Amino acid sequence: AQTVTQSQPEMSVQEAETVTLSCTYDTSENNYYLFWYKQPPSRQMILVIRQEAYKQQNATENRFSVNFQKAAKSFSLKISDSQLGDTAMYFCAFMIGATNKLIFGTGTLLAVQP
Amino acid sequence: NAGVTQTPKFQVLKTGQSMTLQCAQDMNHEYMSWYRQDPGMGLRLIHYSVGAGITDQGEVPNGYNVSRSTTEDFPLRLLSAAPSQTSVYFCASSYVFTASTDTQYFGPGTRLTVL
Repeated sequence: AQTVTQSQPEMSVQEAETVTLSCTYDTSENNYYLFWYKQPPSRQMILVIRQEAYKQQNATENRFSVNFQKAAKSFSLKISDSQLGDTAMYFCAFMIGATNKLIFGTGTLLAVQP
Repeated sequence: NAGVTQTPKFQVLKTGQSMTLQCAQDMNHEYMSWYRQDPGMGLRLIHYSVGAGITDQGEVPNGYNVSRSTTEDFPLRLLSAAPSQTSVYFCASSYVFTASTDTQYFGPGTRLTVL
């Protein structure tokens, strides 16, 4: 069975600084996708960034980037120049191939301090 | 486009009562799914559908029924609510995943409390 582990229940960062959220996963599949979702206090799930397992290049989206280590099964999210609006719960998620079925980690609550 | 809509936003039930959580999307997505979110457990897949008339179970299907009579709607039924079903429920939809750029769209969630 596939599992996703987020070992940091809570993190805090000062505004304008950089923070890295950790995620590891376990699978024997070769074709899969990894995602980071943001859930602000509004409860809405927002896709932050995605990574295809077959791509060696790490995905980036503006201030958000990932460090994808396939052999280590690690998928961390780096947020640069943190902003107050980044305060949210962040979920790492995994999907096998084209199944559409997401497996989520337990989340990391990030607080950006002014 | 309204995207993915869910009703109600909040609901309180007594043990043994039944109810239906509504989910609708106007993006002509084939794939729709229901997740529940519990504290400390992330989101877990309850049921999903890859098209009208086709449904299947996810990770935690017990106590829930679904049907998909139209592309747009995917209701989740609780036949006899239990306190263990107290949770936040999310509906999501997407095209059947064919490209790495495909995205799942989530509804705003329904907070359900079973007393």
